[in-house]
Amino acid sequence: GNSVTQMEGPVTLSEEAFLTINCTYTATGYPSLFWYVQYPGEGLQLLLKATKADDKGSNKGFEATYRKETTSFHLEKGSVQVSDSAVYFCALTTNSGNTPLVFGKGTRLSVIA
Amino acid sequence: GAVVSQHPSWVICKSGTSVKIECRSLDFQATTMFWYRQFPKQSLMLMATSNEGSKATYEQGVEKDKFLINHASLTLSTLTVTSAHPEDSSFYICSASRTSGINEQFFGPGTRLTVL
Repeated sequence: GNSVTQMEGPVTLSEEAFLTINCTYTATGYPSLFWYVQYPGEGLQLLLKATKADDKGSNKGFEATYRKETTSFHLEKGSVQVSDSAVYFCALTTNSGNTPLVFGKGTRLSVIA
Repeated sequence: GAVVSQHPSWVICKSGTSVKIECRSLDFQATTMFWYRQFPKQSLMLMATSNEGSKATYEQGVEKDKFLINHASLTLSTLTVTSAHPEDSSFYICSASRTSGINEQFFGPGTRLTVL
């Protein structure tokens, strides 16, 4: 079956540090890949996505590249801010019909000033 | 576009009562809506998949008689927690999938249920 594995947190960084959150997946076929962010007490917001191999999703300074050869979709940001403190979820879904998302366990990021 | 709302955003109820949570797609039609449950500091657990006009498909281990799901229209799905117990206290999140285009889900802001 489909699954997502992401690095366990919590991750604590100083402001302006470089961020990497690893995500690898197992899936049949060619899934679409997503990163969602959840701020305290809120629902999930789509951060970025990629639908095919070598696609790069980017938003708000965050980037992730769909690597089929390594089945990875690592999230990166060059310079984090305190406001980036949240929980980040890697997820995938197949493109066939309305199938639910498969989530990783989430990585909590805390950025300190 | 692609906004999903949930109501209420939080609710406190007594043990044994029933609570209804609404999930609405405000500016698009959603043939499929999903209900997730999230425990503190954990990931989202899919509870059920709800298709408009048909019975919901529940995940293994989710009691369909306890968590009643109704998807009466292309913009509304409801989750009713019946005879709530304290262990049902959780954060419930819905998502909606558009009828066309890429299979992308849009999430509601969540409903925090506390059962006393």
